[in-house]
Amino acid sequence: GENVGLHLPTLSVQEGDNSIINCAYSNSASDYFIWYKQESGKGPQFIIDIRSNMDKRQGQRVTVLLNKTVKHLSLQIAATQPGDSAVYFCAENPYNTDKLIFGTGTRLQVFP
Amino acid sequence: EAGVTQSPTHLIKTRGQQATLRCSPISGHTSVYWYQQALGLGLQFLLWYDEGEERNRGNFPPRFSGRQFPNYSSELNVNALELEDSALYLCASSKGTEYQETQYFGPGTRLLVL
Repeated sequence: GENVGLHLPTLSVQEGDNSIINCAYSNSASDYFIWYKQESGKGPQFIIDIRSNMDKRQGQRVTVLLNKTVKHLSLQIAATQPGDSAVYFCAENPYNTDKLIFGTGTRLQVFP
Repeated sequence: EAGVTQSPTHLIKTRGQQATLRCSPISGHTSVYWYQQALGLGLQFLLWYDEGEERNRGNFPPRFSGRQFPNYSSELNVNALELEDSALYLCASSKGTEYQETQYFGPGTRLLVL
């Protein structure tokens, strides 16, 4: 497959702290990027997206940063809450197609 | 507004059988996508339908097929089921008016092949 994940990295943060989840993408032709949140037993939920003509985009408590030079994407969650506990996936969308290529995912655990 | 819906939620089949999974997109969305999420693997792109036509398919054998109906709902068919087909099958939809529009996912159908 295109994104074989044998190990799911885990980020553990204390409630109220900021979280940073990183993602390296592979396709230089990708110019649209999305972060999804997947809770246990549910489908991925859209969080925020960014296009390649931007390097930063902010939403409510979330910020996505894009570094095209090193093909790196990050998701910052401010004041992390227990409800933020989930697996977070970055997805890249190459130019002129609607095929999403997903990263392996990062599990975010929030403890009190 | 209702999100993407999928049925059934769970499906149990035996090896060699056929499975049919169904998806209804968000109202107004014309593009439907199918992804496979196998245990230990990430989401892998399967198929993309738009306006009733298959636009792209991922690296899956031909026994994975589907179709999109005039009301934009979609079916995914998996023939000659194999044990490794056990996975969560996710459907997503987008407006389909141009490339790279946000894809919104349904809850998935969990397929177990025995």
